[in-house]
Parts: sequence; C-alpha cells; structure tokens
Amino acid sequence: EIVLTQSPGTLSVTPGERATLSCRASQSVSSNLAWYQQRPGQAPRLLIYAASTRATGIPARFSGSGSGTQFTLTISSLQSEDFAVYFCQQYNTWPPGAFGPGTKVDI
Amino acid sequence: EVQLVESGGAVVQTGGSLRLSCVASGFIFDDYVMHWVRQAPGKGLEWVSLINWDAGNTYYADSVKGRFTISRDNSKNSLYLQMNSLRPEDTAFYYCAKDRGTGRGYFDSWGKGTLVTVSS
Repeated sequence: EIVLTQSPGTLSVTPGERATLSCRASQSVSSNLAWYQQRPGQAPRLLIYAASTRATGIPARFSGSGSGTQFTLTISSLQSEDFAVYFCQQYNTWPPGAFGPGTKVDI
Repeated sequence: EVQLVESGGAVVQTGGSLRLSCVASGFIFDDYVMHWVRQAPGKGLEWVSLINWDAGNTYYADSVKGRFTISRDNSKNSLYLQMNSLRPEDTAFYYCAKDRGTGRGYFDSWGKGTLVTVSS
C-alpha cells in the first residue's frame, strides 16, 4: 500500500507571497499524482494531474513538479481565494490510491 | 457544464442501511468511470468505490467491502451507493466524482456531497 505524506501540516502565508507544498510517496508513483484544492464548505477541485499539468480553468499561478516519490505544488502569488486545504492523491495503483492528509494554507 | 448532484444522506442508526444517489449532467455519462469518495467532518479524503462505464467492473475500499454496493443506471445518468451494516466510522460527506477518463484514477469533477451520519 502506498502512503502519501504532506508537509507542512499548516502553512501560514501573507497574500502575494509564494507558497510551496510538498507531497511524498512511500514508493514510486511515477508521475501519477494529482493535487486538489478544498475551500471551506466546498467540494474538492482538481488543480493538477500527471504531477505538473494544470486542469482546465486553473490559473497559471498554480504549478506542480516532481516524479517518483517527491512532489511539489507551488502557488506563485497567493490570492485570498487560495486559502484552503490542498490534498495530493496518487493514481499509480488501480483501484485509485490514497490521498495525502492535506496541507492547510491560511493567513 | 458538468454537474453532479448527490442526495440520500441522512441520520441512521448503527447497523442500518441507506442508499445514496448522484444525478449527472453536462457530459456523456456512460463514457466515464464514476467514483464515490468520502470525507469525515474535518478529516481527509477517502476513496470508497468505483464502477466502470457498463457496470461490468466494480472496486471497493477494504473499509466498505462486503457492506457497500455501487451501481449505475446509464439511462438515467445516475450513480448509486447502497450502504448496509452502517457503522459510526462511516459518518462522512459522500461525494460523487467523475473520473478524468475511462479509468485514469483521478477526479476532475465533484458533486457538493451528501452527509451521512451514523449514530450509535
């Protein structure tokens, strides 16, 4: 079973700053990793798939990188609507695998 | 625009049953694998089950195997989750989620969720 860990648990940032979130897999998932954003009271939203491809309609300030076991989600300049919880998810296994525990980005 | 609308969540006692529904629109429903994903209040996400386009293949998380049954009716653009022998740890928001493709394994559209509360 592949386990995902995310760090930090909480990231406190100022609007306009850059935020860097990490996701680590217990074994290689190749590039089969997705990132989701969940705002308070809302459903998750797909941000990134295939480790670095932005989903439809996702602003360019969101970028993903990494492969194998180490992945990063970067938000280049935080906007107020970006304060949310971010989850990574691996889909290298079938059926789909675990989500990470999440990183909360707050002010 | 893709829309997924869940219903059927309720408060139920331990050992009880519930059937969740999800009505889909805005895409060709029977072209896609569909999933249920749940989230206990204030907690993380847990994939629950998936069904392929013609219901020929279904998969379940170990935590629900033998108790939950996923199904779909392509003529009604609808996805279902029959939940039996419910436990307090099944308390969660249940989201219907559309696979990115014919089994990519990640989710490009989500419903707003329906809350299931299992009381002891």
